[in-house]
Amino acid sequence: GAVVSQHPSRVICKSGTSVKIECRSLDFQATTMFWYRQFPKQSLMLMATSNEGSKATYEQGVEKDKFLINHASLTLSTLTVTSAHPEDSSFYICSAIGGDRHHTQYFGPGTRLTVL
Amino acid sequence: QKEVEQDPGPLSVPEGAIVSLNCTYSNSAFQYFMWYRQYSRKGPELLMYTYSSGNKEDGRFTAQVDKSSKYISLFIRDSQPSDSATYLCAMSVGYGQNFVFGPGTRLSVLP
Repeated sequence: GAVVSQHPSRVICKSGTSVKIECRSLDFQATTMFWYRQFPKQSLMLMATSNEGSKATYEQGVEKDKFLINHASLTLSTLTVTSAHPEDSSFYICSAIGGDRHHTQYFGPGTRLTVL
Repeated sequence: QKEVEQDPGPLSVPEGAIVSLNCTYSNSAFQYFMWYRQYSRKGPELLMYTYSSGNKEDGRFTAQVDKSSKYISLFIRDSQPSDSATYLCAMSVGYGQNFVFGPGTRLSVLP
C-alpha cells in the first residue's frame, strides 16, 4: 500500500506560538492532500483539501488565516497552526491521493497537538 | 438524512466471533467503497477497497457492496482482540472526488 508520513507525531507548544506539521507521500506523487482534525472518540472532520501548486480549499467554518496550508510539491504538504490556542489542541491527520491511487485516500499516522 | 450512516457502537464480541459492520448511503453516484481501521491515536489504515457491487475477500476480511440497496458490509471472521478498533466506511464517486466517511463503529473483541 501507499505510505504517507507525518512529522512531528506529537507536539506541545505554548499559546500564541505557531506550529508546522508536515505530510509526505513516500512512494507516490500526491496530486491532492487532505487535512483532518479529530477530537477524542469523534469522527474525522475535514478541514481542507489541497492540490499541488494551487491554493487550498477550506471547509466551512475553518479559518484559512489560522490554518495555513501549503502544497508546494507532489510529495509534501504542510499545515501551519498560527497563534495556537488551547482550543486548537487536537489530533491532526493528513491523507493523500494521486497517480494510480486516485480512488482511495491513504492516511498519515497523525500528529497530536497540545497547546498549553 | 446523512449521506453515509453507520452505527457508532460500541460493539463488543467474544474472541472468535464473526463480526458484521455495515454502512448505508444515499448517493447512488458512489462507485468506490472502502473500509478503514483506526486504532486509538493513530491514522486510519486502509483495509479493503471495492469498486461497484460485489464481494471482495482478503484473509479474515470480506467486503460486500450492494449498490441496489445502497448498503455495504465488512465481515471479520475469527475475530481477535487485536481487531479492537474503530472501523470507518468511506465512499467516493471516483477520481479523487467527493469522498465521504461514515462516523465509524467502535469494536471491542474480548479475549
